[in-house]
Amino acid sequence: DTEVTQTPKHLVMGMTNKKSLKCEQHMGHRAMYWYKQKAKKPPELMFVYSYEKLSINESVPSRFSPECPNSSLLNLHLHALQPEDSALYLCASSQTGGKNIQYFGAGTRLSVL
Amino acid sequence: SQQGEEDPQALSIQEGENATMNCSYKTSINNLQWYRQNSGRGLVHLILIRSNEREKHSGRLRVTLDTSKKSSSLLITASRAADTASYFCATDGIGGFKTIFGAGTRLFVKA
Repeated sequence: DTEVTQTPKHLVMGMTNKKSLKCEQHMGHRAMYWYKQKAKKPPELMFVYSYEKLSINESVPSRFSPECPNSSLLNLHLHALQPEDSALYLCASSQTGGKNIQYFGAGTRLSVL
Repeated sequence: SQQGEEDPQALSIQEGENATMNCSYKTSINNLQWYRQNSGRGLVHLILIRSNEREKHSGRLRVTLDTSKKSSSLLITASRAADTASYFCATDGIGGFKTIFGAGTRLFVKA
């Protein structure tokens, strides 16, 4: 099973809402990632978790709050987002660090109104 | 900041033709990877080439790496309409966790 599952597939939220994105993998991978991707642009790294500990935060605004409850799950909590945060949010996992192949989920298409 | 830059930005070819995409990067790497992304979907890993390798093949894919020029190329032979997608090179940053993607090449294969 090489699947990374992201839910929901689509999300529309207002600027005052609180929502969460979820990501799950059952490949035994110990590194998990959140990326943000705007249209016609490459994915931009947001956060990296290694062995359930946050190892990289790419100076992401605090309105994005990651959480790794266990080695299979990764959440991204959203609060007070801005319209410019509208994007495709991708989750990925890999065996350990970035030298390994990353497996991506299909993404959550987020629209902030 | 992006490490990999790719050209061309967009490429349109006929089915059966070969497609070549190039990637340049700025710092030393351990490996370079190529990914494909169908419109609005997740990325799919295609091939990984290590810094001590010069060429690698996988099916219709051929990747070359020139570390002296800090560049790589991806060749897709005998392209198919199903190859229509965006293609990204990706390099590993310091410590190995920080994968940096190039700007990408959008390939359109006409049937």
